[in-house]
Amino acid sequence: QKEVEQDPGPLSVPEGAIVSLNCTYSNSAFQYFMWYRQYSRKGPELLMYTYSSGNKEDGRFTAQVDKSSKYISLFIRDSQPSDSATYLCAMRASGGSYIPTFGRGTSLIVHP
Amino acid sequence: NAGVTQTPKFQVLKTGQSMTLQCAQDMNHNSMYWYRQDPGMGLRLIYYSASEGTTDKGEVPNGYNVSRLNKREFSLRLESAAPSQTSVYFCASSEWGRSNEKLFFGSGTQLSVL
Repeated sequence: QKEVEQDPGPLSVPEGAIVSLNCTYSNSAFQYFMWYRQYSRKGPELLMYTYSSGNKEDGRFTAQVDKSSKYISLFIRDSQPSDSATYLCAMRASGGSYIPTFGRGTSLIVHP
Repeated sequence: NAGVTQTPKFQVLKTGQSMTLQCAQDMNHNSMYWYRQDPGMGLRLIYYSASEGTTDKGEVPNGYNVSRLNKREFSLRLESAAPSQTSVYFCASSEWGRSNEKLFFGSGTQLSVL
């Protein structure tokens, strides 16, 4: 079992839908949780960054962490065709190595 | 600012050939990384350099070597390319040790080994 599990999709939704992207993890030491967005033929770019449990909102995007369930989510409200991309979750512990562990990424397609 | 620049963007090699992928960052970051990305496998760390003068193996280092030439540049070398090394390679940089650290990625090198 990989430390971070993420369904690769693809997930196809109509424009305007609420999208839920999820990751589960097994390492209870993870404290920092990140979501990267990767457009086709581009490098990933950081979208959201949260520490420990709770929610963080940024415009149409909400990141949610449930450490008791070892489960993180990214919600996209009013999804747009421009949101079509691969979304990778990443996480790391607070001490030791600062290198994040990435999920495999979920491909999202928002069709008009 | 250009951020993280990778060259070349595309490369085709024959089995057994060698090549070096170049990476440079202009953000004065102390840490640099090389990842490969394969369909269904996500990002896998090949090597990283936490600071100038140090390099360490990542998850999949076999068949690769790296050089941290200076604070700006971190190169990845394939000494004898194999078809299994066909992949998209990403270089990244970051400020090691910051609590809100994030990785900045280049646009990638698509490598095919025939």
